[in-house]
Amino acid sequence: AQSVAQPEDQVNVAEGNPLTVKCTYSVSGNPYLFWYVQYPNRGLQFLLKYITGDNLVKGSYGFEAEFNKSQTSFHLKKPSALVSDSALYFCAVDAGNNRKLIWGLGTSLAVNP
Amino acid sequence: GAVVSQHPSWVICKSGTSVKIECRSLDFQATTMFWYRQFPKQSLMLMATSNEGSKATYEQGVEKDKFLINHASLTLSTLTVTSAHPEDSSFYICSADEGLTNTEAFFGQGTRLTVV
Repeated sequence: AQSVAQPEDQVNVAEGNPLTVKCTYSVSGNPYLFWYVQYPNRGLQFLLKYITGDNLVKGSYGFEAEFNKSQTSFHLKKPSALVSDSALYFCAVDAGNNRKLIWGLGTSLAVNP
Repeated sequence: GAVVSQHPSWVICKSGTSVKIECRSLDFQATTMFWYRQFPKQSLMLMATSNEGSKATYEQGVEKDKFLINHASLTLSTLTVTSAHPEDSSFYICSADEGLTNTEAFFGQGTRLTVV
């Protein structure tokens, strides 16, 4: 079965330190990969996506992600975390380019001042 | 990015009544809209996919007679929770898709439904 895994329920990082939120996937073919962020009681905001091309993708708010085909991973990174980055982060995959997304369970990021 | 407006942002209703949630794409035409349900501290669960002018496609286990979806125009889809019960209380989120290659979906701000 096709799936997306976010192995960490929660990530804690000190403000100013680099952060990584992990995502691995198990799908066939060449997937499209997305990261979204959700603040409390809000909808999801798009951060970045990988469709094709350069494996390092840069997105909103200083976030970036690296597509690694051999490891089937798409980890989200930021060089220097801000307290305002504290939120719930979701990784999603469009496995068949049919616009239906397969979602990870989400990772709660807490950035401590 | 494109804007998707979802209304209302929260609603409290009595058990047995029906509630309608609207999802509008404000600055683009959405060929496809998706309706999700999210439980506390959990991921999004896709309920159904709606295409303008046709019947919605429901995911397995989602009662289509309970969760009525109408996609009457390219900018509006509605979800009606009929005969709501407390177990229907949840956070409902819509997303809209322009249908263009390589584009992402845009999400509404969500609706917190509480059935008392």
